[in-house]
Amino acid sequence: DTAVSQTPKYLVTQMGNDKSIKCEQNLGHDTMYWYKQDSKKFLKIMFSYNNKELIINETVPNRFSPKSPDKAHLNLHINSLELGDSAVYFCASSFPTGGVEQFFGPGTRLTVL
Amino acid sequence: AQKITQTQPGMFVQEKEAVTLDCTYDTSDPSYGLFWYKQPSSGEMIFLIYQGSYDQQNATEGRYSLNFQKARKSANLVISASQLGDSAMYFCAMRPFKAAGNKLTFGGGTRVLVKP
Repeated sequence: DTAVSQTPKYLVTQMGNDKSIKCEQNLGHDTMYWYKQDSKKFLKIMFSYNNKELIINETVPNRFSPKSPDKAHLNLHINSLELGDSAVYFCASSFPTGGVEQFFGPGTRLTVL
Repeated sequence: AQKITQTQPGMFVQEKEAVTLDCTYDTSDPSYGLFWYKQPSSGEMIFLIYQGSYDQQNATEGRYSLNFQKARKSANLVISASQLGDSAMYFCAMRPFKAAGNKLTFGGGTRVLVKP
């Protein structure tokens, strides 16, 4: 009965590699997001999708490419990983309008060596 | 652009006492929502409480209440009767209603440690 799930939970990889993080929600939400939390715990939005359409791309390097095959899934692919990409990546979802909360996934801790 | 400021990087609170976490925000949007999230050491983000900018009453959810002062642009979280399980990072966040994409802007967080 998991609401927002992400895989993998931990990802350790070498610089220059390409990796993907998958996200799925079973809440029937139309909008999904990717947030990045850095080592100082600061959270910042990266992308927002509404019903598979990209709405927000918050000046993220184009090495990061989100893909939404359907409104329940939002994956994040990262090319040519750099040390500075090390962070916790959170997927979230919500209904598109109104003062509704966003439900977060458990996070994926990415470590680039 | 929106900005959220949490001026308390960390604080201690005695078990069973109340604690107030400060949050001020800056926005030019006339309508917006304010949120508080809890992040325990296990890392997940847990939604606590929501306040709409046009809500006349302060929001409450169990032991959590939001002291909303619109003119001062502050949305402080009050946790009553603190428990050991309240030890966590707490984030204040805001979303303007008219902005496309429902972007949440977060403050830097306040770490709370509840002492027995």
